[in-house]
Amino acid sequence: EAGVVQSPRYKIIEKKQPVAFWCNPISGHNTLYWYRQNLGQGPELLIRYENEEAVDDSQLPKDRFSAERLKGVDSTLKIQPAELGDSAVYLCASSLVGSNTEAFFGQGTRLTVV
Amino acid sequence: GESVGLHLPTLSVQEGDNSIINCAYSNSASDYFIWYKQESGKGPQFIIDIRSNMDKRQGQRVTVLLNKTVKHLSLQIAATQPGDSAVYFCAENIGKTGRRALTFGSGTRLQVQP
Repeated sequence: EAGVVQSPRYKIIEKKQPVAFWCNPISGHNTLYWYRQNLGQGPELLIRYENEEAVDDSQLPKDRFSAERLKGVDSTLKIQPAELGDSAVYLCASSLVGSNTEAFFGQGTRLTVV
Repeated sequence: GESVGLHLPTLSVQEGDNSIINCAYSNSASDYFIWYKQESGKGPQFIIDIRSNMDKRQGQRVTVLLNKTVKHLSLQIAATQPGDSAVYFCAENIGKTGRRALTFGSGTRLQVQP
């Protein structure tokens, strides 16, 4: 069975440009997460979906970040415009419905803003 | 591959020795905990989990201990192998019902010397 798939693996953009990341969760997983991981730190939650509904987006910088999960499967995370401080690894994870279940992570997208 | 973290606490052990990685969690209401392993250039990988109604759980070569009194979690790896070299994160499930998500600690780098 395929795991969580993310693309692209790497992205280099100039500041003020837009960028988008894509995630395909594990089949049957209703819960999807986007995390951001800065170098030397643990992942930090940006947004969590239950099916199509964003149930926790309190940590998402809404002035420049947006996310969507149409049809409750794939998800995209967008940054517009990107800033130098947005350079990080963006991780997508998915899990079965329920509050105490393990989350499976994709390999992440490493974003470098120059 | 690129480094996951350059300034993490580091535990260096000899191949074949047992490793103990510690983690202090923040919220006394947390009721579910996971240990993740992250290798360079990859997303976090599930190792073992434990619920708050347990003090100990064993897997293959790994044991997790939970001390709720002092809010401490540990991961024990028996007969550590070079392939165990990675950054290890503990994660706790916190938040109000319906808004839960895994919150990660800062991580520990395990280096296994041959």
